[in-house]
Amino acid sequence: EIVLTQSPGTLSLSPGERATLSCRASLSVNSNYFTWYQQKRGQAPRLLIYAASSRATGIPDRFSGSGSGTDFTLTISRLEPEDFAVYYCQQYGSSPITFGQGTRLEIK
Amino acid sequence: QVQLVQSGAEVKKPGASVKVSCKVSGYRLTELSIHWVRQAPGEGLEWMGGFDPDEGEIIFAQRFQGRITMTEDTSTDTAYMDLGSLRSEDTAVYYCATINGHSWGQGTLVTVSS
Repeated sequence: EIVLTQSPGTLSLSPGERATLSCRASLSVNSNYFTWYQQKRGQAPRLLIYAASSRATGIPDRFSGSGSGTDFTLTISRLEPEDFAVYYCQQYGSSPITFGQGTRLEIK
Repeated sequence: QVQLVQSGAEVKKPGASVKVSCKVSGYRLTELSIHWVRQAPGEGLEWMGGFDPDEGEIIFAQRFQGRITMTEDTSTDTAYMDLGSLRSEDTAVYYCATINGHSWGQGTLVTVSS
């Protein structure tokens, strides 16, 4: 099983700042099957990034994904108030499908 | 565009079973790989199982083996997830989603309580 470890657990930043979220895998991940999600309270997860670096439909270009192998990063260039939420990474190239434990992005 | 609409909230007693449905529109169910993910209150996302297009069969997370069934009715484009031997720890929101994550259902709250 590929274990995904996200860091930090909580990130406290102000609107306008840059956010960098990390996801480290215990084994190499096929980048084609690596995704990032945003989840707000009471809502289903929303796909942000697929194939490690491609933005999903309707996702603003302040969100970007990078990485390969065992290290992946989600960057939000300038935080907007609506970006404060929980973010999850996921891999589905290897069974079982696994998620990271999440990073909570909170307003400082 | 794929849309997934799930059945409503359920309250079950310990030991009972629950069946959650996921109606697909915009595409035929046979064109998609539907998976199920759950989220306990205040917790993260947990994959339960779904159709593996490479294997051509439904696969499950090991911890649910023996008490989970996933079926599909292609005539109505509806996927089902049936979880048995419920316990309080199964209280969660259950989501169906396409394997690539582009489409998610709205979630179904299942509460297990005596």
